[in-house]
Amino acid sequence: DAGVIQSPRHEVTEMGQEVTLRCKPISGHNSLFWYRQTMMRGLELLIYFNNNVPIDDSGMPEDRFSAKMPNASFSTLKIQPSEPRDSAVYFCASSLETTNEKLFFGSGTQLSVL
Amino acid sequence: GQQLNQSPQSMFIQEGEDVSMNCTSSSIFNTWLWYKQDPGEGPVLLIALYKAGELTSNGRLTAQFGITRKDSFLNISASIPSDVGIYFCAGQNLDNNNDMRFGAGTRLTVKP
Repeated sequence: DAGVIQSPRHEVTEMGQEVTLRCKPISGHNSLFWYRQTMMRGLELLIYFNNNVPIDDSGMPEDRFSAKMPNASFSTLKIQPSEPRDSAVYFCASSLETTNEKLFFGSGTQLSVL
Repeated sequence: GQQLNQSPQSMFIQEGEDVSMNCTSSSIFNTWLWYKQDPGEGPVLLIALYKAGELTSNGRLTAQFGITRKDSFLNISASIPSDVGIYFCAGQNLDNNNDMRFGAGTRLTVKP
């Protein structure tokens, strides 16, 4: 299995630009999570989906952030417009377990907003 | 929300030494997990604990779910250079949307 696949690995953009991060979960996993990792705040859950339906988006910081999961094999996290404080590593993770406790993480997208 | 306090923040040890790190919380969790993150990669699950008092081993790693359900520790015996990385605890609350919280991490450095 290829594991959770995220793209791009690195993204450098200018403030105000739209950023789209992509994720392909492990085939057969029914839950997908977006996390953000910074030195200051550690790993923060942004949103998670179960069977393609958003279950908890309380971690999404602002309306500038949006996430979609149009099908079981693809999800996007979009930031529009981006700001320097959005700079972080964004991880996607998927889970097979009913209670979602065993997460399989992708390699992350390192986002730098200048 | 629920806060996890993980300590120590960092550790510098000599190869062969044993390591211990722990997490505490003011809230009860149903599940405790330990992950390791290598540089440039996402966290990888090491051990999952499901019952208070449970003691589980995975090779040189041993973790325990505290009796009070508010804490957990991870021990690494006979450390080797590839143990270097950041170790995260995570607690999950099944009564709150299966909400999972991560600790701030323990950065481990092993000197050969």
